[in-house]
Amino acid sequence: SQTIHQWPATLVQPVGSPLSLECTVEGTSNPNLYWYRQAAGRGLQLLFYSVGIGQISSEVPQNLSASRPQDRQFILSSKKLLLSDSGFYLCAWSDQRGEPLHFGNGTRLTVT
Amino acid sequence: DQQVKQNSPSLSVQEGRISILNCDYTNSMFDYFLWYKKYPAEGPTFLISISSIKDKNEDGRFTVFLNKSAKHLSLHIVPSQPGDSAVYFCAASVGNQFYFGTGTSLTVIP
Repeated sequence: SQTIHQWPATLVQPVGSPLSLECTVEGTSNPNLYWYRQAAGRGLQLLFYSVGIGQISSEVPQNLSASRPQDRQFILSSKKLLLSDSGFYLCAWSDQRGEPLHFGNGTRLTVT
Repeated sequence: DQQVKQNSPSLSVQEGRISILNCDYTNSMFDYFLWYKKYPAEGPTFLISISSIKDKNEDGRFTVFLNKSAKHLSLHIVPSQPGDSAVYFCAASVGNQFYFGTGTSLTVIP
């Protein structure tokens, strides 16, 4: 069966520090991969999605970037964090169009 | 611009009664619709989905209704149970992109 791993679960970082969140999927090949953010009291905002290695689509211009160095690995990064980057970050995958997204357990990022 | 909207931030229902959660969307190109359940500090869990070619899909206590002309989606939970208490997100998809509403917090009162 397929599983998704996302780490770390919680992270506290100072303003201006770099960020790297990692997500890996097991049990499937060539998945579509996604990064979402849930800010306090708000819905799930699509940040990036990828349909293949090296293929990244950005939904919202911001202080973050994403990379997909391997088929089942998706990384969310920032060179310098802002206070507004605080939130709950979720990685998700889907097999193909018409199939649901499956989410990881998320990373709670607090920028201080 | 929010393409998927859940206008009710919260809903309280007595145990055993029906819970109805609503969702509206603006993009007529959406062709796949989903509902997710989320507990605090966890990722959303997929509940039920419906294709745009259908108007109803049922799975146990959960039924999703789609009204394409009104661009409206609803989730019915019958009977509601205390374990159903959570935040529910509706989502809509076009191509490889999934867009979520802001969520409705459901409380089922024993």
